[in-house]
Amino acid sequence: AQSVTQLGSHVSVSEGALVLLRCNYSSSVPPYLFWYVQYPNQGLQLLLKYTSAATLVKGINGFEAEFKKSETSFHLTKPSAHMSDAAEYFCAVSGRGGGSNYKLTFGKGTLLTVNP
Amino acid sequence: DTGVSQDPRHKITKRGQNVTFRCDPISEHNRLYWYRQTLGQGPEFLTYFQNEAQLEKSRLLSDRFSAERPKGSFSTLEIQRTEQGDSAMYLCASSLGKDTRYEQYFGPGTRLTVT
Repeated sequence: AQSVTQLGSHVSVSEGALVLLRCNYSSSVPPYLFWYVQYPNQGLQLLLKYTSAATLVKGINGFEAEFKKSETSFHLTKPSAHMSDAAEYFCAVSGRGGGSNYKLTFGKGTLLTVNP
Repeated sequence: DTGVSQDPRHKITKRGQNVTFRCDPISEHNRLYWYRQTLGQGPEFLTYFQNEAQLEKSRLLSDRFSAERPKGSFSTLEIQRTEQGDSAMYLCASSLGKDTRYEQYFGPGTRLTVT
């Protein structure tokens, strides 16, 4: 069984400030981890994914995340927030390989607000 | 590559009516997924196809729900005798390959409102 916990349903930052969105996972098998972003009334867009030995993953729009197995965490960061980053962010986990590991299990999401 | 498309984008229906949603995946993707997202929650897995075969259905998918993917191309999700609790965003996603490292590409969703 897999689960994801996103700490903080709402994060508010000033434009230019550091963005930190927290994600902790639980998985009985080695996981793949994903961050998706959702803009209002739109589907989900992949920001980045962890699927290999490289624990620091860089994604689109200046975001990155670090996989820390000892902490079961995969926090998302961006050094300097932009107004266009305002959206809802979802962390998701899946198992590796085929079989029943294909489905994504999502956290409840974190709404990011960027203040001018 | 035009991405995953879903139709309709919005559907308002009265309780007890049947509704059908369509999803067109990215053309070369052999895997197709349906998720449901309610307000304030992350998407929840409903069902999954590999080519035309439906390989798993979530417990969330009651007997009133049915999904098909004829010939491994587009997919339809039908809800019979809709209830107010069915109001949600229904998301379709597709992916390539046999391994879960291949990312799932999501469509824009169909928002269902049951009155």
